[in-house]
Amino acid sequence: SAVISQKPSRDICQRGTSLTIQCQVDSQVTMMFWYRQQPGQSLTLIATANQGSEATYESGFVIDKFPISRPNLTFSTLTVSNMSPEDSSIYLCSVVVGDLRGQYFGPGTRLTVT
Amino acid sequence: GESVGLHLPTLSVQEGDNSIINCAYSNSASDYFIWYKQESGKGPQFIIDIRSNMDKRQGQRVTVLLNKTVKHLSLQIAATQPGDSAVYFCAENAGGTSYGKLTFGQGTILTVHP
Repeated sequence: SAVISQKPSRDICQRGTSLTIQCQVDSQVTMMFWYRQQPGQSLTLIATANQGSEATYESGFVIDKFPISRPNLTFSTLTVSNMSPEDSSIYLCSVVVGDLRGQYFGPGTRLTVT
Repeated sequence: GESVGLHLPTLSVQEGDNSIINCAYSNSASDYFIWYKQESGKGPQFIIDIRSNMDKRQGQRVTVLLNKTVKHLSLQIAATQPGDSAVYFCAENAGGTSYGKLTFGQGTILTVHP
């Protein structure tokens, strides 16, 4: 397994601003992902964070809205840009450990946009 | 796109009973499945996984059954305890170019009464 931490754990932001969420893993991992969990709903994959190259986004998510960085094998950031109330969600990072396909999730960042 | 869904959104059981949580999936290319437990305010916790070359896998107090013919999997929890109260999600992955990308079901809220 892996120990994953996220910062901040929660935040309340104003409409039109941006928030950067950090994800730190205690060991080097090949694959990292970012998910969104809207209130009372399931998880939806936003993008794959690729080390040293641009992230790969899923349908419905774009780089201008959710820029992602991954400077090394233990760290990634997700920025939620120009926020609106519809962006209020829990944002989670996850990692694949070794050659196992099961993913481990961070504790999440609970974002509220007013 | 294809999705994973659940038959029952809520399940209430008495402590000590066995619980069964069901999940239907629609992507016939899926070959790997995971069950997650999510407690309030936390990220999803990996419970158990199963590959498509198996139809049953057991863990500690949990068993996952996979029926590829009808695209159905279930999570059985033996001797359910109040600490098992949480939201349970199934997730699937198709491998190949989708390696690591999980598609989640809607979730089932399990409530265990003492």
